[in-house]
Amino acid sequence: QVQLQESGPGLVKPSETLSLTCVVSGGPIRNYYWNWIRESPEKGLEWIGYIFDSGSTNYNPSLKSRVTISIDTSKNQFSLKLHSVTAADTAVYYCARKNTGYAGYFDYWGQGTLVTVSS
Amino acid sequence: DIVMTQSPDSLAVSLGERATINCKSSQSIFYSSNNKTFLAWYQQRPGQPPKLLIYWASTRESGVPDRFSGSGSGTDFTLTISGLQAEDVAVYFCQQYYNTPYTFGQGTKLEI
Repeated sequence: QVQLQESGPGLVKPSETLSLTCVVSGGPIRNYYWNWIRESPEKGLEWIGYIFDSGSTNYNPSLKSRVTISIDTSKNQFSLKLHSVTAADTAVYYCARKNTGYAGYFDYWGQGTLVTVSS
Repeated sequence: DIVMTQSPDSLAVSLGERATINCKSSQSIFYSSNNKTFLAWYQQRPGQPPKLLIYWASTRESGVPDRFSGSGSGTDFTLTISGLQAEDVAVYFCQQYYNTPYTFGQGTKLEI
């Protein structure tokens, strides 16, 4: 059974960088698209972006200028960096798997991690 | 961006009855070249991540009870839960994957 687990600081100061990692276990990291999605009361579920095992990425234009997603296939993990955060970036952050091709739905999700932006 | 709008925001249904949740996309999410509709439905129980229920608008994910069904075409879609059970209390989301950025509906809270 594929499992995803997010980790990273739960508190980030305004203007700093939010950094999260998602470890994939129970299945291959290759041949899938690996996503970050966040959820907040204000914006609901918001797709942040994805990375393929080749390293190719696709980001939400609303966040593109501040987002970097990277992957380390040797460690079966991928990461999110969100720069210059504000209180509006406070959310539960999920990592999730998307199949290849046209199948843009998310079949496996991590449990989510709450990140609060506050001084 | 494609805007997904769900209705109602919340509903209460008796045990054993049918629940119907609607989702409307701001443009068609049907792709004629492969004859597929790029819509998924998720269930989110309190404190849990979303769980995939249905994809391609009407294909049930493995292990999902057959009381969950999806229908619709073009821009209007429906999730139907027949024979409501207590464990179905959750928030339900639709999501389009016709193009990026992938977008979700605002959610519908289902109560008993």
